Amino acid sequence: DAGVIQSPRHEVTEMGQEVTLRCKPISGHNSLFWYRQTMMRGLELLIYFNNNVPIDDSGMPEDRFSAKMPNASFSTLKIQPSEPRDSAVYFCASSSGQGRRGNTIYFGEGSWLTVV
Amino acid sequence: AQTVTQSQPEMSVQEAETVTLSCTYDTSESDYYLFWYKQPPSRQMILVIRQEAYKQQNATENRFSVNFQKAAKSFSLKISDSQLGDAAMYFCAYRSAQGSSNTGKLIFGQGTTLQVKP
Repeated sequence: DAGVIQSPRHEVTEMGQEVTLRCKPISGHNSLFWYRQTMMRGLELLIYFNNNVPIDDSGMPEDRFSAKMPNASFSTLKIQPSEPRDSAVYFCASSSGQGRRGNTIYFGEGSWLTVV
Repeated sequence: AQTVTQSQPEMSVQEAETVTLSCTYDTSESDYYLFWYKQPPSRQMILVIRQEAYKQQNATENRFSVNFQKAAKSFSLKISDSQLGDAAMYFCAYRSAQGSSNTGKLIFGQGTTLQVKP
């Protein structure tokens, strides 16, 4: 079975540019999470969706960040305008939410973002 | 609010030996899940093992096992017969089981970097 698929795997962009990260969750999963990992702050939850609806976006750093989930199989995380401090690894993750086994969250391979 | 603490920033083990990584957590909830994730240099987050708080039996997955002490809020990971491929950062994580939808964020510890010496 395909896991969580993220793109791009690596992106280098200039400060001020718009960045869009994409995620395809595992088929059948109804919860989707965006995490950010930095050396200073570790792993932080940015936002999570349940059945395509944002449930908790309290981790979104500021208005420059936005996330959408237009359907059950696709989500985007957008940064506009990007800043050097946004450089991090961004993970998308999903879970099925069905029964006890559904409480395991599976991660994609991450998108490495560097803003110069 | 729940917290997860990994007090060992770095650990090392000789190949084929056994190592234990520590994790403690704080919660007022009675029903929750605990996880260990492995993050190799590729940065991929790989699930190693999971434990359901209502189960007294410690989870095991091949060479990986946990020592779950609910009263002490402790959840350590034991790696037996360590292999070079086990070298990675290991994260302990907590997830609430509360709520009708059984969704909720993972709360991570700071991570422990494991070095395996040949």
